[in-house]
Amino acid sequence: DIQMTQSPSTLSASVGDRVTITCRASQSFSNWLAWYQQKPGKAPRLLIYKASNLQSGVPSRFSGSESGTEFTLTISSLQPDDFATYYCQQYNDYPWTFGLGTKVEIK
Amino acid sequence: QVQLQESGPGLVKPSETLSLTCTVSGGSIRGYYWSWIRQPPGKGLEWIGYVYYTGSARYNPSLKSRVTVSVDTPKNQISLKLSSVTAADTAVYFCVRDRSSGYWPGEIDYWGQGTLVIVSS
Repeated sequence: DIQMTQSPSTLSASVGDRVTITCRASQSFSNWLAWYQQKPGKAPRLLIYKASNLQSGVPSRFSGSESGTEFTLTISSLQPDDFATYYCQQYNDYPWTFGLGTKVEIK
Repeated sequence: QVQLQESGPGLVKPSETLSLTCTVSGGSIRGYYWSWIRQPPGKGLEWIGYVYYTGSARYNPSLKSRVTVSVDTPKNQISLKLSSVTAADTAVYFCVRDRSSGYWPGEIDYWGQGTLVIVSS
């Protein structure tokens, strides 16, 4: 299985801050990596696919990038609606695996 | 707009079989891969397995001996059966669709709202 190590597990930030979340894969694979946002009691929502492609309807302050086995989600200017938990997911191979999540909290 | 709705018992006894159904509306299940994903309370996400609309399926090796995922095309439904459950199977279970084709993998674009299943006597 491909293991996804996500960091940090918790992040405290203020509105307007630039936020970066990282996922490191246990092995190299093509860019079949997605980022999801989840709010309490809700299903996750797709933000980024194929490592850097913005899903339709998602604000442009969200972006994704990759460098080798490291994948990054960046929120350029944190908004009140962005306080949530974020997960990375590799879908290069089965079983699909997810990072353990990053909770973005209000500082 | 495609919508997925999970349904089934919210309480299952240990050693019994968990059975859930996902009803798809606003679109056909034909041509797509459908998966079940679960999330224990306060924890992360675990992929359980997928079924293609043709009926072919694949499972997470960690659950493979206990899982069956199937499809009912005329009813536009996907089903999950998980046998010999324990408290560790307590989770919110999500039905999802992904954008895979026969040529490349696909990310999850639609999620059901999820249904909480508690395993307890």
